[in-house]
Amino acid sequence: EVQLVESGGGLVQPGGSLRLSCAASGFTFGNYWMYWVRQGPGKGLVLVSHISTDGSGTNYADSVKGRFTVSRDNAKNTLYLQMNSLRAEDTAVYYCTRDLPGVGASDFWGQGTLVTVSS
Amino acid sequence: EIVMTQSPATLSVSPGERATLSCRASQSISTKLAWYQQKPGQAPRLLIYGASTRATGIPARFSGSGSGTEFTLTISSLQSEDFAVYYCQQCDYWPRTFGQGTKVEIK
Repeated sequence: EVQLVESGGGLVQPGGSLRLSCAASGFTFGNYWMYWVRQGPGKGLVLVSHISTDGSGTNYADSVKGRFTVSRDNAKNTLYLQMNSLRAEDTAVYYCTRDLPGVGASDFWGQGTLVTVSS
Repeated sequence: EIVMTQSPATLSVSPGERATLSCRASQSISTKLAWYQQKPGQAPRLLIYGASTRATGIPARFSGSGSGTEFTLTISSLQSEDFAVYYCQQCDYWPRTFGQGTKVEIK
């Protein structure tokens, strides 16, 4: 069974940093692109970042470019999102998702981890 | 950035009736479109990809159609578990943008 379990969310002050993790199981993690998608309170979905199978290719939404860094450790079956210079507007539930190969959609989602940026 | 526009924002439907949701892309995305369902407090679930292919385990009452810039998700006979928010996503260009969602509520 495919499982994605996010962790690392919490309350952080504006300007602070946080690192999210996503532990994957039930599939060959290193064979899949992965995404981070966020959802602000009462809002819609925004794809924040993606990373290729070996980590050599990454992409970011303009709103987080230069502040967030996505990475992965295929030996540990874990995806990461390093978030720096956090702003109030980064407050959201962050989901880790798996890419459906050749399609670009997210076929499996974690349960999400809440990040709250507030003083 | 491709803008995805969903309509209506809210759809009131009685159980057993058909629901038709629309999604429009600001430029052509061929059939590179996905639909997701999200229930309160849950992560989204992939329903449809490639505009018309049902994801694994999705009931046949869900169907998708369209190409280019105009897309439709149809739920043929609404069940109680189908009342939720539905999002479309274009999967052709980065950033992979989502629509703002359509809430399907009980009439």
